[in-house]
Amino acid sequence: KQEVTQIPAALSVPEGENLVLNCSFTDSAIYNLQWFRQDPGKGLTSLLLIQSSQREQTSGRLNASLDKSSGRSTLYIAASQPGDSATYLCAVRSQGAQKLVFGQGTRLTINP
Amino acid sequence: DARVTQTPRHKVTEMGQEVTMRCQPILGHNTVFWYRQTMMQGLELLAYFRNRAPLDDSGMPKDRFSAEMPDATLATLKIQPSEPRDSAVYFCASALSGGREKLFFGSGTQLSVL
Repeated sequence: KQEVTQIPAALSVPEGENLVLNCSFTDSAIYNLQWFRQDPGKGLTSLLLIQSSQREQTSGRLNASLDKSSGRSTLYIAASQPGDSATYLCAVRSQGAQKLVFGQGTRLTINP
Repeated sequence: DARVTQTPRHKVTEMGQEVTMRCQPILGHNTVFWYRQTMMQGLELLAYFRNRAPLDDSGMPKDRFSAEMPDATLATLKIQPSEPRDSAVYFCASALSGGREKLFFGSGTQLSVL
């Protein structure tokens, strides 16, 4: 059974810093991995999708990496801004499965 | 912008009442998911459909929950009878077939059962 863990549960950093959010998963036989952002009271917005054959994906100031063998993914946010404050969730789709298994998320606060 | 639309956004009801939540997936998406989010459990998959056919509803309490897709533009999730433990945010999400594409979420229905 796939399990996804995100550490830390919460993170607070000053504006302008580069930061890394971590995601680990127990079964390396994955199909793809997605990083989502959730603002309070809102739905989830997909930020980056990494297929199992890929090592990383980039979108603007965001970069997500994938290391299947170690069961890890990281989301790198460069030059953080207060508008980046949100909860970031990692979700894994295992091979042969349709559903995404989500981590509990990291609540990020960027202080002006 | 194409988006997944959920109604209602908020629902407060009394224990024992029927609750119906609706979802309009993005046009052209043929895979629809229902997730439930709580503080304790996080996001849990309840059911999903492909081409309107239910593929997995193992995450759903069968005695009180039911999910259907009457047509390609509408998915429904019903709870009858509702219980206080059903209080949560219910999300619908849709995707193109194949699973290699991003999942798009609606804004959710916040359900409170008193």
